[in-house]
Amino acid sequence: GEDVEQSLFLSVREGDSSVINCTYTDSSSTYLYWYKQEPGAGLQLLTYIFSNMDMKQDQRLTVLLNKKDKHLSLRIADTQTGDSAIYFCAETIPTDSWGKLQFGAGTQVVVTP
Amino acid sequence: GAVVSQHPSRVICKSGTSVKIECRSLDFQATTMFWYRQFPKQSLMLMATSNEGSKATYEQGVEKDKFLINHASLTLSTLTVTSAHPEDSSFYICSAALQNYNEQFFGPGTRLTVL
Repeated sequence: GEDVEQSLFLSVREGDSSVINCTYTDSSSTYLYWYKQEPGAGLQLLTYIFSNMDMKQDQRLTVLLNKKDKHLSLRIADTQTGDSAIYFCAETIPTDSWGKLQFGAGTQVVVTP
Repeated sequence: GAVVSQHPSRVICKSGTSVKIECRSLDFQATTMFWYRQFPKQSLMLMATSNEGSKATYEQGVEKDKFLINHASLTLSTLTVTSAHPEDSSFYICSAALQNYNEQFFGPGTRLTVL
């Protein structure tokens, strides 16, 4: 099975907050990432958090990391229709291959008016 | 931020032909490039890691003779899908990384359809 797990779908009303959750298994991960993918496009890095941090805020985005539970979340405040996309969390895999990422299956976020 | 391009963005080919996909880092030199494939509604699966001037490291289950990777310069990596078959139809995405940076910059992807 996958080492990084996410719920597959989230529906949210415009203006509300969205919370996307992710769990990972590799406790030696150094960085954890959130990427956004719009239809037919590549991945856009939204934010990342170093494993010794609990929280990181960047404008409308807040990342929370619970290292004990290996749980990562992304909160989007004041969700807009342009936030509709698939969101992937990813962890770095500390191997000989620097920078190798393990992705979750992605959470499709649909923002309704 | 750093820009990574892919060419072509979309390709349709006949079964049995070979297809080359280019990945370029436009404004930086990438020490490492990664190739992923993504099936519809699924996650990205790493296929191989490519370092400039050396052989690519393939993930388990990826046929190195079928997916040829060349990384001849710090700004260009190519993926050639040899003797393509319909099951190779997928979205192929590359990423490029800077040494000592914990970020990969992703290309826009190439949609391959094999008839």
